Parts: sequence; structure tokens; C-alpha cells
Amino acid sequence: AIQMTQSPSSLSVSVGDRVTITCRASQGIRNDLGWYQQKPGKAPKLLIYPASSLQSGVPSRFSGSGSGTEFTLTISSLQPDDVATYYCLQDHNYPYSFGPGTKLEIK
Amino acid sequence: EVQLMQSGAEVKKPGATVKISCQVSGYSFTDYHMHWVRQAPGNGLEWMGLVDPENGETMYAERFQDRVTITAVTSTDTAYMELSGLTSEDTALYFCTTGPQLVPFYWGQGTLVTVSS
Repeated sequence: AIQMTQSPSSLSVSVGDRVTITCRASQGIRNDLGWYQQKPGKAPKLLIYPASSLQSGVPSRFSGSGSGTEFTLTISSLQPDDVATYYCLQDHNYPYSFGPGTKLEIK
Repeated sequence: EVQLMQSGAEVKKPGATVKISCQVSGYSFTDYHMHWVRQAPGNGLEWMGLVDPENGETMYAERFQDRVTITAVTSTDTAYMELSGLTSEDTALYFCTTGPQLVPFYWGQGTLVTVSS
């Protein structure tokens, strides 16, 4: 099974800062990766899939990049509404697998 | 509007079996795979498996392979997830989730399963 890791596990940043979250796969997964945002008490929301394609309605400050084993989610200018936990999900092979998550807080 | 309506919260004793339903509306049930994802309190998301409602084919995460059964009943547009041999570690919020792409997009409201003696 493909293992997904994320770094950092948490980060505290200021409004307006640029944020970068990294997701790594234990083997190559081409661009078969999605990024989710989950706010407390809510279901996850798909932001980007595959790898670099922004989902409709998602603010343009979010972007994704990468292929193979290393992927990046970038928020160009952090907004208060972006406080959440972010997860990557690979769908290259069954079983699908999520990364452990990155908790984003406002400094 | 796509909607996924899950059954209510469950309290089970260790060793018991739980079966959660997820009834969909707003799209053709057989068009998309139905996934199940769980989240233990304070923990991350865990993919459990999926069913293709068109043909009933399933895929499961290895750690649940022996305990989980995911089914789809097309006559009622309802998917089910049954988990047996419950332990306290199965206490979690369980989501059904689907969508037109290969990864989940639409989500149910979640069903809380509490395992306690």
C-alpha cells in the first residue's frame, strides 16, 4: 500500500503570509493526488485535483504542484478563513490513502 | 443538488457490529463510486473502502479487509457500510462520500459510532 506523509504537521502563520505544505508518497503516483481542507466539525472540501487543478469555486490563492512522489499545496496569501487542517489523498492505487494532515493556525 | 443522508449516531458494545446507511439524491446513484472514510476523535482521515454501485464491486483498505462490508442497493439509492468486531479504536465519525472524479467530492453529514462497554 502507498504511504503518504505530510510536513509540517502543524504551522502557525500570520495573515498575508505565504504557506507551503508538502505531501510525499512512498512510491510514484504520477499526478494522482488531491488536496482537501477540513474545518472543525465539517466534512472535508476538495480544493485541488489532480495535483495542480484548482476545483471550481476555490479561491485562486490556493495552488498545487508536483508529480511522482513530492507534491506541494501553496496558499499565496493566508486569510483568516483558511484556518483548517489540510490533507492530501492519493488515488493512484487501491487502497486510497490520506496523509496525516497539516493543521494551520493564525499567529 | 447532490445530497448524501446518513443514518443516525450509534452506540455499540465491544465485539458488536454496526451498519450505517447513506441514501443519495440529486444524481444517478450508479454513476459514481461510493467511498467510506472515517475520522477518530482528534485524528486524521482514514479511507476504508468503496463500492461501485453499478456492479457491486468493492475495494477495501487492508486493515479493514476482514471486518468491513460495503454494499449498494440501487432500488433505494442507498449505500451501506458494515463493520464487525468493534473495539474502542473504532469510535469515530464515519462519512460516505462520492463524486464524478476519482476522488471524493460530495460528503454525507457523518455518523458518529461510539464503542463502549
